[in-house]
Amino acid sequence: DAKTTQPPSMDCAEGRAANLPCNHSTISGNEYVYWYRQIHSQGPQYIIHGLKNNETNEMASLIITEDRKSSTLILPHATLRDTAVYYCIVRVGGTNDYKLSFGAGTTVTVRA
Amino acid sequence: GAGVSQTPSNKVTEKGKYVELRCDPISGHTALYWYRQSLGQGPEFLIYFQGTGAADDSGLPNDRFFAVRPEGSVSTLKIQRTERGDSAVYLCASSPRASGSNEQFFGPGTRLTVL
Repeated sequence: DAKTTQPPSMDCAEGRAANLPCNHSTISGNEYVYWYRQIHSQGPQYIIHGLKNNETNEMASLIITEDRKSSTLILPHATLRDTAVYYCIVRVGGTNDYKLSFGAGTTVTVRA
Repeated sequence: GAGVSQTPSNKVTEKGKYVELRCDPISGHTALYWYRQSLGQGPEFLIYFQGTGAADDSGLPNDRFFAVRPEGSVSTLKIQRTERGDSAVYLCASSPRASGSNEQFFGPGTRLTVL
């Protein structure tokens, strides 16, 4: 059962920020929000994860709302190479829940 | 360093045949996962190994599917009496350990086509 809801697709312009929303209204206190992406014909690639605080790395920023029921992945300056399916996944960060449960994701198309 | 590798990259077989798919995880990673991805869908969990043992095989669809990891490194996913519905991309991932918030590193997958 999918624990997250994402729009099926979105377009963004090259060089602009891409904001990808995700709803996870049933998230539990010990569950992390993970983002992976999958470029065509490749395996999924980890982007970022967070528990409650906003996170930033070299790839993206993750903004989690205070109630933790939704989050936004931000690609600050989208490039054509960022065209991919982006998956928002909720996963317990403890010792027993190791599976990644992928939904359908958001297909992001970056246009020149 | 080297990432997760999977062989073959493509496998075409006939209905009823037996196939083996191989995964070489990142050196030193103790946790290994198999997923299956059908066209247009996200990956679906099949089985997880911690070391040599299968800690969870609840995602295997039926007893035609079996996986081993005899030395705690390379893993082989085995499918007996293949069916057309088994056609998919089979993905392998590894992580340093299963617990905590470790990311999983995925291989490129093996595309299996059952004719």
